[in-house]
Amino acid sequence: DAGVIQSPRHEVTEMGQEVTLRCKPISGHDYLFWYRQTMMRGLELLIYFNNNVPIDDSGMPEDRFSAKMPNASFSTLKIQPSEPRDSAVYFCASSSYDRYNEQFFGPGTRLTVL
Amino acid sequence: AQKITQTQPGMFVQEKEAVTLDCTYDTSDPSYGLFWYKQPSSGEMIFLIYQGSYDQQNATEGRYSLNFQKARKSANLVISASQLGDSAMYFCAMREDYGGSQGNLIFGKGTKLSVKP
Repeated sequence: DAGVIQSPRHEVTEMGQEVTLRCKPISGHDYLFWYRQTMMRGLELLIYFNNNVPIDDSGMPEDRFSAKMPNASFSTLKIQPSEPRDSAVYFCASSSYDRYNEQFFGPGTRLTVL
Repeated sequence: AQKITQTQPGMFVQEKEAVTLDCTYDTSDPSYGLFWYKQPSSGEMIFLIYQGSYDQQNATEGRYSLNFQKARKSANLVISASQLGDSAMYFCAMREDYGGSQGNLIFGKGTKLSVKP
C-alpha cells in the first residue's frame, strides 16, 4: 500500500498567486482530512470529507481557501490568492470506516508564500 | 480554554529507560477518543495509540501504553525501553464524538522528546 500521497512536497510561491495542493488517500478509505501545521497554531483541522462530501469546513480560515473531493481517490486544497501567513505544512490524512480511529497522514506539503 | 494540554515542551530520557509524556484534556462529551501521534524530524505524522473513553483497560501497543485516568482527565503516554529512534515530537489529540469537533482531531502543542545514548 502506497499510503497517503501528497503533491507537491514543497511549494514556494509569491503573494497573490494561486496555490493548489493535491492528495490521494489510501484506497478504500472513506474519510479524508486536511490539516495545517504552523509553529504558532500547531496542528489544526481545516476540513474533512466523508464519502467525498464535505462534512465540517469550520476550520477553513477564510474564503481564500477552498477544498474539493471530486472522487474517492483525489482531493485538492486551493488557496487563492495566497498570502505570507498561509506559509505552513499542509497535511492530508485518511481513515476507513472500520478503523476510523486510525488516521493515516501523508508526508505533508511545505508551503512558503513570499 | 485549551482542549488538549501538553505541559512539557521538551523532555530528555536516557536510552533504555522509560519515559512518560503528559497530556490532559477538557471535554464535557460522554464519548470521546484520545490519541497519540509521533512526528519525527522528517515531518510525517505517525499514529501510535488510541484510547476510547469507555474502554475499561489502558491501551497498549508494543512499547507504548496509554495511562488513562478518566477522573483526572489525563491520558499520559508511556514509552518503555526508549530507543534513539524515539527522538521526535509527540502529539496528544482528542476526538469528541458528539461535540462540535465531531469527526476531527484536536491536537495539543506537542512535547519534544530527546533520547540520549
